[in-house]
Amino acid sequence: NAGVTQTPKFQVLKTGQSMTLQCAQDMNHEYMSWYRQDPGMGLRLIHYSVGAGITDQGEVPNGYNVSRSTTEDFPLRLLSAAPSQTSVYFCASSRTQGSNSPLHFGNGTRLTVT
Amino acid sequence: AQSVTQPDIHITVSEGASLELRCNYSYGATPYLFWYVQSPGQGLQLLLKYFSGDTLVQGIKGFEAEFKRSQSSFNLRKPSVHWSDAAEYFCAVGTAGNMLTFGGGTRLMVKP
Repeated sequence: NAGVTQTPKFQVLKTGQSMTLQCAQDMNHEYMSWYRQDPGMGLRLIHYSVGAGITDQGEVPNGYNVSRSTTEDFPLRLLSAAPSQTSVYFCASSRTQGSNSPLHFGNGTRLTVT
Repeated sequence: AQSVTQPDIHITVSEGASLELRCNYSYGATPYLFWYVQSPGQGLQLLLKYFSGDTLVQGIKGFEAEFKRSQSSFNLRKPSVHWSDAAEYFCAVGTAGNMLTFGGGTRLMVKP
């Protein structure tokens, strides 16, 4: 069972570069989301999607774009990376968008912006 | 807006000792509450959740948590800690739409 797969595991970018963090799930989950994890701050929601073609902003969306063209994939794009985006990024999915549907997390992408 | 506070950043316990990790939340309505565990280099795994009903919730790996509305708390407990429990633990409150607000985490170290 693959679950939620994130690639790459590690990435180093220079300020101003762009990149896409990939997230794929094979559980036919309706809901997908991106979080960033920073020391002492827990995880903060960046963007989420309740189904293909539908996305919305979370708590910290600035500097990030998302799209959801298929049920399986939910990529996160950084158009112009900044040092403040150095973080660990987690993708998570759940069967439905209700809070009684447990989130399944990927293993994360550690991003460093120099 | 909702918030979650985990007052203890680090906790060290001896193997076999009991454990309690504290969590306080702020939320206007009846909360959905969660505890997640994160091992190094891994994603988060759900330990247990509270939605309604019995305020004492049992989870995986021998963990339990008690919801106390009067204290706005959802503390995690385990009667006897194993070395494999060393990890970081996150409390979270869920709102409509599965948007979780996480606490800052508590890192648990286990002494042999």
